[in-house]
Amino acid sequence: GDSVTQMEGPVTLSEEAFLTINCTYTATGYPSLFWYVQYPGEGLQLLLKATKADDKGSNKGFEATYRKETTSFHLEKGSVQVSDSAVYFCALTGSSNTGKLIFGQGTTLQVKP
Amino acid sequence: NAGVMQNPRHLVRRRGQEARLRCSPMKGHSHVYWYRQLPEEGLKFMVYLQKENIIDESGMPKERFSAEFPKEGPSILRIQQVVRGDSAAYFCASSPTTGRTDTQYFGPGTRLTVL
Repeated sequence: GDSVTQMEGPVTLSEEAFLTINCTYTATGYPSLFWYVQYPGEGLQLLLKATKADDKGSNKGFEATYRKETTSFHLEKGSVQVSDSAVYFCALTGSSNTGKLIFGQGTTLQVKP
Repeated sequence: NAGVMQNPRHLVRRRGQEARLRCSPMKGHSHVYWYRQLPEEGLKFMVYLQKENIIDESGMPKERFSAEFPKEGPSILRIQQVVRGDSAAYFCASSPTTGRTDTQYFGPGTRLTVL
């Protein structure tokens, strides 16, 4: 079945460091890919998305490119801030037509001043 | 435009009691999804509803769990005879339409603790 695998955390970086969080997926058909962010005690917020191969999603300095050939959607940011500390979830819409999301296990990012 | 609202935010129940979790979707959204997040895990899909219809309940446990989205009022996720393993955060999401490209907007979640 459809699935998402994220790199394990926690990831600890210093402020202004470069961030990469790896995400790979298995899916039939043509899923859309999403990155959501969850701050402590809160719900998930959409960070960015891409709906077809080679699309690049971007928001707030974060970017991810839909790579069909490597089945990947890695999240990157050139210079992280303390306020980026959160849990990041990669997700896809599965092969059903209902739009339900299939999530990776989440990666905790901690940015130190 | 208010976001997705869930209540209560925190719910404590003793084993064997019932838990009722409410979700009011964003204005204009008629599609509601429920997800469960167990400690230290990602979110798992439970059920997808439209007004008065359950469309996909493939992620719902076979017993004790039910969901509804009536014509009027919020969507309800009901857990009967709760057990400790039901302790989790339950998130509701809504979208204006459905499909593989659509964004789901999440509520703040209800954190259920079963004593």
